[in-house]
Amino acid sequence: DARVTQTPRHKVTEMGQEVTMRCQPILGHNTVFWYRQTMMQGLELLAYFRNRAPLDDSGMPKDRFSAEMPDATLATLKIQPSEPRDSAVYFCASGLRQGANTGELFFGEGSRLTVL
Amino acid sequence: RKEVEQDPGPFNVPEGATVAFNCTYSNSASQSFFWYRQDCRKEPKLLMSVYSSGNEDGRFTAQLNRASQYISLLIRDSKLSDSATYLCVVDSSASKIIFGSGTRLSIRP
Repeated sequence: DARVTQTPRHKVTEMGQEVTMRCQPILGHNTVFWYRQTMMQGLELLAYFRNRAPLDDSGMPKDRFSAEMPDATLATLKIQPSEPRDSAVYFCASGLRQGANTGELFFGEGSRLTVL
Repeated sequence: RKEVEQDPGPFNVPEGATVAFNCTYSNSASQSFFWYRQDCRKEPKLLMSVYSSGNEDGRFTAQLNRASQYISLLIRDSKLSDSATYLCVVDSSASKIIFGSGTRLSIRP
């Protein structure tokens, strides 16, 4: 079965360190989303891409977060420097948007980040 | 104000009961609506899309009210396996897909 793959599944790091999370979307999907989930905030949209072009990253703290899609098979989310408040589960999701049809989003299993 | 708002619950109902959740959205230009389900420590998965005319999938019924900007989910004859968090999802504009914070449902025997 095709699935979205995220790495790492778990990451524990110290404050100030750089963290890079990777996502391999489902082949053929043209939209990729990064979400962050905490108990307090639920699922927050951080950034999303369509046909590899970033459409909106207004949900991200610009000074420390960056999201890229260097090619159609890889999306990255980088935090530098990391802070304890960044501790959360980060989900990547991909989908196939055709015209106005949103389509189903398929999620990876998430990357659980703990910043000490 | 959040773009998509849900009652966080928890809803605790007995097996066999009918339960309904509502969700409101702020962007009147929103085009597409969905309900996703998330089990504890798992990723969200699509439960059903919500169509303007309303739609049903087995025990689940979804309704959309554009005038009042809310969508609803009704679960009939609830099962223990329905225990999960239900996420209201709105395609707000330009592919921006926003999730509500979720409503927790717990079905007791």
